[in-house]
Amino acid sequence: AQSVTQLGSHVSVSEGALVLLRCNYSSSVPPYLFWYVQYPNQGLQLLLKYTSAATLVKGINGFEAEFKKSETSFHLTKPSAHMSDAAEYFCAVSAKASRGNEKLTFGTGTRLTIIP
Amino acid sequence: ETGVTQTPRHLVMGMTNKKSLKCEQHLGHNAMYWYKQSAKKPLELMFVYNFKEQTENNSVPSRFSPECPNSSHLFLHLHTLQPEDSALYLCASSQGRDRFTYEQYFGPGTRLTVT
Repeated sequence: AQSVTQLGSHVSVSEGALVLLRCNYSSSVPPYLFWYVQYPNQGLQLLLKYTSAATLVKGINGFEAEFKKSETSFHLTKPSAHMSDAAEYFCAVSAKASRGNEKLTFGTGTRLTIIP
Repeated sequence: ETGVTQTPRHLVMGMTNKKSLKCEQHLGHNAMYWYKQSAKKPLELMFVYNFKEQTENNSVPSRFSPECPNSSHLFLHLHTLQPEDSALYLCASSQGRDRFTYEQYFGPGTRLTVT
């Protein structure tokens, strides 16, 4: 079984400040991990993914995330927040399946607000 | 058209109506998914199709009926819905189970309101 916990349903940061969105996962097999972003009235867009290569993963829009196995974490960061980063962010985990299709389990999401 | 498209974008229907949601992917993928996104709830996986075969039905009520005529098209047929079925319905696609590429690509969703 696999699960994802996103700490903080709402996060507010000032424009130009560090963005840190937290995600902890649980998985009985080596996981693949993802961050998605959802802007209002849109679907989910893939920001970045971890698939057992480099533990520090860089994504679009200046975001990056670090896989820490010992902490079972995959936190999302961005050094300097921009107004356009305001959105909802979802962490997701997928376990390698020996058969059958992959299945993503999503967290409950974190709404990021940027303060001008 | 590129990526994953969904029509209609908005739908209002009465509880006795029958309607269908359509999803089309232009990515050459083999797996397609329906998700339900309700306010303050995690994204709920409803159905999965892989190479046109349904491989997952996540205990979805029978008033939701999926159809996948080919790898590029996915439908969700709706009938006798309840107000609690009002939500954003998202379609997604991925390359499929035979490739270790797990990212899913999402459409913009259909905002469904049941009155």
